[in-house]
Amino acid sequence: QVQLVESGGGVVQPGGSLRLSCAASGFTFRTYGMHWVRQAPGKGLEWVAFIQSDATNKYYTDSVKGRFTISRDNFKNMMYLEMNSLRADDTAVYYCGSFDYWGQGTLVTVSS
Amino acid sequence: DIVMTQTPLSLSVTPGQPASISCKSSQSLLHSGGKTYLYWYLQKSGQSPQLLIYELSNRFSGVPDRFSGSGSGTEFTLKISRVEAEDVGVYYCMQSIQIPPTFGQGTKVEIK
Repeated sequence: QVQLVESGGGVVQPGGSLRLSCAASGFTFRTYGMHWVRQAPGKGLEWVAFIQSDATNKYYTDSVKGRFTISRDNFKNMMYLEMNSLRADDTAVYYCGSFDYWGQGTLVTVSS
Repeated sequence: DIVMTQTPLSLSVTPGQPASISCKSSQSLLHSGGKTYLYWYLQKSGQSPQLLIYELSNRFSGVPDRFSGSGSGTEFTLKISRVEAEDVGVYYCMQSIQIPPTFGQGTKVEIK
């Protein structure tokens, strides 16, 4: 069955960096565009970034452009989100998924 | 960005009774190819979102037939024909016709 497992979250100071990973299994990963979506504590869902199946196109929400980088490795069935210059308002649970399925999420807390 | 507006924001339903959630988009979600790119998700407490309905009215794999999606253009409805205890949570509509994908604010459904 489809499985998406995020990792890499944690507590980081403002201005710091984190790299999130998403391990995919149970489907043909290399044929799917993939997304990162986040949810701040007690808030709704916010789309963050998208990467096409072959990584030729990438898109970001305005608030993370220039700070976050989405990437993938279709040989390893992995997707990544490199997050730099983190701010307090980046604090959220980050989910990876394809719109059909989402992982369980990984919590990123930006705090001094 | 396309704005998605859900009503009501909360709903208390007696088990066995129907429930309905409205979602309106600021632009048409009807693609020239004929599909309407409107999704419905349910997020249960402490869990990731789970897909209920895709492309306006298609039930996702394993979703009970008491859930149905309808609408056209900019106005959409999710209906639950007979609410069960397991249906509690927050329901979100989402559009994917345009980048960035955007979500409604969420509708919290509880059981009376």
